[in-house]
Amino acid sequence: AQTVTQSQPEMSVQEAETVTLSCTYDTSESDYYLFWYKQPPSRQMILVIRQEAYKQQNATENRFSVNFQKAAKSFSLKISDSQLGDAAMYFCAYASGSRLTFGEGTQLTVNP
Amino acid sequence: ETGVTQTPRHLVMGMTNKKSLKCEQHLGHNAMYWYKQSAKKPLELMFVYNFKEQTENNSVPSRFSPECPNSSHLFLHLHTLQPEDSALYLCASRERRDRGYTFGSGTRLTVV
Repeated sequence: AQTVTQSQPEMSVQEAETVTLSCTYDTSESDYYLFWYKQPPSRQMILVIRQEAYKQQNATENRFSVNFQKAAKSFSLKISDSQLGDAAMYFCAYASGSRLTFGEGTQLTVNP
Repeated sequence: ETGVTQTPRHLVMGMTNKKSLKCEQHLGHNAMYWYKQSAKKPLELMFVYNFKEQTENNSVPSRFSPECPNSSHLFLHLHTLQPEDSALYLCASRERRDRGYTFGSGTRLTVV
């Protein structure tokens, strides 16, 4: 079974600074997708960024980028120029077939 | 709004009650999901429906009964629940697995 691990229950960053959230996963499959989701206090789960496992190039979406290390099964999220609105719970997720498996989440605090 | 609507937003029910959670999407997605989110736990997949057919039941107790009358609607019927079933119940839909999943805002369920 696939597992997703986020080893940082909480992280904090100063506004305008950069922060990296860690994620590792375990799988024996070669074809899968990885995602980062953001869940603010409104509870809405919002897709931040996605990565196809067959692509070597790291995905980027504006201030959000990933460092995808397939051999190491690592998928970290970097948030640049952090904003107060980035404060939320961040979940790493792995998708294969019809199943989406989540990590435990990292609570990100942004300090003004 | 993401296009996935869940009602009600909040629900308090007694252990002997029967209630239903509703999820609706008009995104044209073919797959729909129920997830349970408890405090300090990863999101747990409960049920998966593809083209109205249930394709996965993740060992969910029978006091939770899903129903998918068409590809746009998904229900979760609840009866004789336990206090430990109190959680946020999230519905999601998906078009293709590489596009990620679209989530609703969830129903906060409290069993008293």
